[in-house]
Amino acid sequence: GESVGLHLPTLSVQEGDNSIINCAYSNSASDYFIWYKQESGKGPQFIIDIRSNMDKRQGQRVTVLLNKTVKHLSLQIAATQPGDSAVYFCAETKYGNKLVFGAGTILRVKS
Amino acid sequence: ETGVTQSPTHLIKTRGQQVTLRCSSQSGHNTVSWYQQALGQGPQFIFQYYREEENGRGNFPPRFSGLQFPNYSSELNVNALELDDSALYLCASSLGGTGGTFYNEQFFGPGTRLTVL
Repeated sequence: GESVGLHLPTLSVQEGDNSIINCAYSNSASDYFIWYKQESGKGPQFIIDIRSNMDKRQGQRVTVLLNKTVKHLSLQIAATQPGDSAVYFCAETKYGNKLVFGAGTILRVKS
Repeated sequence: ETGVTQSPTHLIKTRGQQVTLRCSSQSGHNTVSWYQQALGQGPQFIFQYYREEENGRGNFPPRFSGLQFPNYSSELNVNALELDDSALYLCASSLGGTGGTFYNEQFFGPGTRLTVL
């Protein structure tokens, strides 16, 4: 399939290690922050979201951390697997209609 | 439950032509948002339709227009195509979109890859 992220920053991790993907957001008034995973040839797939009144939320193998002081969002993936290889985007929204996406990070998992 | 579908998958047009892209929303969803994703970039919001009315628009010129039908499917039309319009066009459906103080997850389709020559 065609790559969606030819010039994006790349994070390479060994299978089984933990991954941390970072994102800086722009609008301090945003009330939801979302992480999406996009595989080659596919649309973005929802991973996890967090509301602005929280600083941490956990899902299955994933944790999102929100630091509103420095407008920073991170996605932690535990025990990274080859199937986690994709481009990861953070997105922010206020009132839920328009999603504003960050630049994206390529995650490569080495077996 | 049927997910979001888009057609066509790929499309090649020449500069100055017009194009129509189609999206069928997920069952039960009444809101459709369109995004443009240039190669190597994140998606950019074009506009959103809620119950057949435009409900927010991004920084795109008027030659980008849309429609939503009573069954909540949607079309994106682009007139006078330019080379920079080459991109992956993504449709996302969700439930809600009234601009209230809540967020409803947007489910994305696979996209239409438009190439303008």
